[in-house]
Amino acid sequence: DGGITQSPKYLFRKEGQNVTLSCEQNLNHDAMYWYRQDPGQGLRLIYYSQIVNDFQKGDIAEGYSVSREKKESFPLTVTSAQKNPTAFYLCASSQSISSNQPQHFGDGTRLSIL
Amino acid sequence: GNSVTQMEGPVTLSEEAFLTINCTYTATGYPSLFWYVQYPGEGLQLLLKATKADDKGSNKGFEATYRKETTSFHLEKGSVQVSDSAVYFCALSTPGSARQLTFGSGTQLTVLP
Repeated sequence: DGGITQSPKYLFRKEGQNVTLSCEQNLNHDAMYWYRQDPGQGLRLIYYSQIVNDFQKGDIAEGYSVSREKKESFPLTVTSAQKNPTAFYLCASSQSISSNQPQHFGDGTRLSIL
Repeated sequence: GNSVTQMEGPVTLSEEAFLTINCTYTATGYPSLFWYVQYPGEGLQLLLKATKADDKGSNKGFEATYRKETTSFHLEKGSVQVSDSAVYFCALSTPGSARQLTFGSGTQLTVLP
């Protein structure tokens, strides 16, 4: 079945440590996205990528980094510069940036600080 | 810029009750509108969408009509079930927007047996 796989489901970070969240899709989608979700809030866009080897900052990119070396993969690194990283992180993909293409979401990674 | 305002929750209903979750939007350009649902501990699933004025999106008994005159996209279901308990997000995207979706803050729905 086609879909988006995020791993791990739960992740713990120590102070000063960088951690990387995995996102893989087999939908052959061009565009991929990372969102952050905090309790009682909507989703906020961290980074997005329209094509391989290209990515753009979203609304809350500070303290995060991404890469897009392969079409199917869009890993997110939460760096030590992100002072409040505890959140639920969702990866999504869509066929293109065209406005009426729905995004498909993974099941998320919950990141906590030790 | 684009924004989405959703009815604040939480909403608690008895099984078989009628559901309405209000959603209004502000957008530059002509948006496409979406409702997503999130079950506990999971990602978001597309529930329904509408891409032009007066379109009605429908799925699993849920409906929403794109009302351009009132800039609204309210979600309705005639008879809710316990299994409908989840968080519902209204979202929009506009042509030419490099960042696709703008989300509302979500509405928590709990359906009691």
